[in-house]
Amino acid sequence: AQSVTQPDIHITVSEGASLELRCNYSYGATPYLFWYVQSPGQGLQLLLKYFSGDTLVQGIKGFEAEFKRSQSSFNLRKPSVHWSDAAEYFCAVGAQQAGTALIFGKGTTLSVSS
Amino acid sequence: EAGVVQSPRYKIIEKKQPVAFWCNPISGHNTLYWYLQNLGQGPELLIRYENEEAVDDSQLPKDRFSAERLKGVDSTLKIQPAELGDSAVYLCASSSGTVPGELFFGEGSRLTVL
Repeated sequence: AQSVTQPDIHITVSEGASLELRCNYSYGATPYLFWYVQSPGQGLQLLLKYFSGDTLVQGIKGFEAEFKRSQSSFNLRKPSVHWSDAAEYFCAVGAQQAGTALIFGKGTTLSVSS
Repeated sequence: EAGVVQSPRYKIIEKKQPVAFWCNPISGHNTLYWYLQNLGQGPELLIRYENEEAVDDSQLPKDRFSAERLKGVDSTLKIQPAELGDSAVYLCASSSGTVPGELFFGEGSRLTVL
């Protein structure tokens, strides 16, 4: 079955500290992988995506993610968190086909403390 | 460029009443999605359109939910009659299909059924 697991429901990080959000997936074929962010009252916004090639991908707002095929993981990282990064983060997988709908994880809520 | 527009943003209705949500995708985006987001959960696909054709509606509860995308632009999602368990956020997204998995989301319509 196709699924995405985000083990951490809620994470609190101090401003300026590093961040890692975990994502594991189960997918029959080689998937495309994504991270989306949802700020309060806003729609989801694409942070970054992985299709193929270099397993470390860079995204917007200083985020990066690393694809590890052996671990079926696609963890999101940021070296130094800003208060404005407080939001909900969703990992998603999709087929390698344009237009295919994505399967989302349940999300991780990030709180940033001062 | 205008983003995905949804209305209403908030709707409160009594159970057994009908409700409709409207979505205007980004101009030129042929693919339109309706997702359901329950509290504390990730978005789950309800239906996907390619132009005016519903190409994936397997997750749409057809006994009470219906959707249409006349002329392949705007879309309407209807619930009739609404049940308490339908309280959720209904997200609309669109995609040009150029970049697989790159969906542009609206802010959502939050439904509360009393």
